[in-house]
Amino acid sequence: AQSVSQHNHHVILSEAASLELGCNYSYGGTVNLFWYVQYPGQHLQLLLKYFSGDPLVKGIKGFEAEFIKSKFSFNLRKPSVQWSDTAEYFCAVGHKLTFGGGTRVLVKP
Amino acid sequence: AAGVIQSPRHLIKEKRETATLKCYPIPRHDTVYWYQQGPGQDPQFLISFYEKMQSDKGSIPDRFSAQQFSDYHSELNMSSLELGDSALYFCASSSRGSSYEQYFGPGTRLTVT
Repeated sequence: AQSVSQHNHHVILSEAASLELGCNYSYGGTVNLFWYVQYPGQHLQLLLKYFSGDPLVKGIKGFEAEFIKSKFSFNLRKPSVQWSDTAEYFCAVGHKLTFGGGTRVLVKP
Repeated sequence: AAGVIQSPRHLIKEKRETATLKCYPIPRHDTVYWYQQGPGQDPQFLISFYEKMQSDKGSIPDRFSAQQFSDYHSELNMSSLELGDSALYFCASSSRGSSYEQYFGPGTRLTVT
């Protein structure tokens, strides 16, 4: 069975602040980890993914994530957020995706 | 680049009616997934198809059925609709060669009154 959980349900921060969203997973098979973003009223867009190799993954829009096997974590980071990063962020695992509850991020201008 | 297409985008039905949602995957994608996202909830996996055969089944009610056709498009058929079926239904597609990287469509918002 696979499961994933996100640490925070809501995050509020100011523009130019750094962002880190936590994600922990439990999965017995080959690890396929994803971060998706859902802007208000829009569909899910893939930010980045990890299957194997370099544990530091770079995605679109300046996001990156680090896979730490010993901690079963796949945290998402962005050094400096913009107002346009206001969205809901989902960590997901597996091939029939299981999502982690989502984190709503509000960036104040 | 071509994306996943879903139709209709919005659908309003009454209780006990039926609904059919359509999904057209990205060209050359061989796998289609259906997800249901209730208000304020995570998307929940319903069912998936690979090369026109059902490949996985999730929390899909018995009142729902789906299939994938020879042109790879998929349809989700929903019968005896209930108020609780009101949700956003997403289709995603992937290619087996891309390690299950899924691309989502814009969704169909179903409202059951």
